[in-house]
This record gives sequence, structure tokens and C-alpha cells, in this order.
Amino acid sequence: GEDVEQSLFLSVREGDSSVINCTYTDSSSTYLYWYKQEPGAGLQLLTYIFSNMDMKQDQRLTVLLNKKDKHLSLRIADTQTGDSAIYFCAERTGGYQKVTFGTGTKLQVIP
Amino acid sequence: DAGVIQSPRHEVTEMGQEVTLRCKPISGHNSLFWYRQTMMRGLELLIYFNNNVPIDDSGMPEDRFSAKMPNASFSTLKIQPSEPRDSAVYFCASSLAGTGEYEQYFGPGTRLTVT
Repeated sequence: GEDVEQSLFLSVREGDSSVINCTYTDSSSTYLYWYKQEPGAGLQLLTYIFSNMDMKQDQRLTVLLNKKDKHLSLRIADTQTGDSAIYFCAERTGGYQKVTFGTGTKLQVIP
Repeated sequence: DAGVIQSPRHEVTEMGQEVTLRCKPISGHNSLFWYRQTMMRGLELLIYFNNNVPIDDSGMPEDRFSAKMPNASFSTLKIQPSEPRDSAVYFCASSLAGTGEYEQYFGPGTRLTVT
């Protein structure tokens, strides 16, 4: 079955890079996602990576995928206070629309 | 587009009462998801629909929970009778199957408090 795990908390200083890590168990994952949840709001898709890729860059965001180790990471360059939020890793397997979300990592950015 | 609309945004009720949460998905989307978020259990998928048909309800906690999608633009999640342990934020999300990455668009959530 699917299982997605993340560390619960990360604290960084403004201007530094943040790296949020995620491990998943299902080797048949097709898409892997990073969602962001700001206080009092629903989740919003930040970026995604297809399982046949190992890296994707989108402005300040870099996603790295290590399929062998089933490890996904999200790097945020030049972290800003507005990046403070909970970040969820998620995976989708096969042709199904069901997405399994991780536990979420709360990112705190210190000014 | 207004995005996914959920109502009410906040609901406070007493144990034993019936609670109905409502969701209007994004127009044109054909999949709808209900999630529950708590500190203890994180984000849990309760049920999802495709073309108004329930596909997977294995996450529905027990018979007290029921969900319906009578048409493409409306869904309800009902809890009867409610219990304090049902207190959580309930999210509805919608997506358009067939677009590849299947991005899910989340509503703002309904914060339910059962006393």
C-alpha cells in the first residue's frame, strides 16, 4: 500500500535555502507532488514531477526525485517569510486519481 | 472561476446532532474528493467521486458518515449523529481527470467543532 512520510518541522532563516524531504513506499508512483497549505486555507499545488524525471526546476523551487531510494525533496532557494506554511508531499499511483498525502512539514522562516 | 466553494466555513454543534457539509466543485471538473484534517491523523481521504459516482469510500470512518453527489456541481458530506472526535477541518477538492498531472484544487475547508 501507499505510505508517504515527512519530517514534521523545519526552521530556516530568511534568505537561506530550505530543503524538505519525503519518502514514499509505492514504486509504481506515476506523479509526485508538492502542495502548500497556508494558515486557514486549503492545499494548493506548488509543483509536481513525473516519475521518469529526476529533477525539475521552477523559479525558486527545485524538486529532486531518487526513485531507487523512493526519496523526494523540495528545495526552496532564498526562502522568504511568505514561504512559511505546511508543505505536503503526495504520490499518485497507476491510472487512479487517488492521491496519498504525507504528514506535512511545517516550515518556519525566521526573519 | 471562483474555485471550490465550501459551506459553512465554521460549524459548531452539539454531540448527537446531524451535520451537513456542502461543496461546489470547479465547473467542468469531473472528480471530487472529501478529506479530513486533524493534528493527530493529518490529512485523510474520506471518499472520492468520478462523474458523480463514488469510486472509493474506504476512508469513511463508519456508518455515521455518508456522502452524496447528486449532480456534477454539488456534493454533501453528512455526519449523523456527530461525536466530539469528529471535530476537524473538512476539505473538498476537485480535479479534471485526463489532464495528466491531475492537480487537485482544494476549497477553504469547513472547521467543525462538536461539543
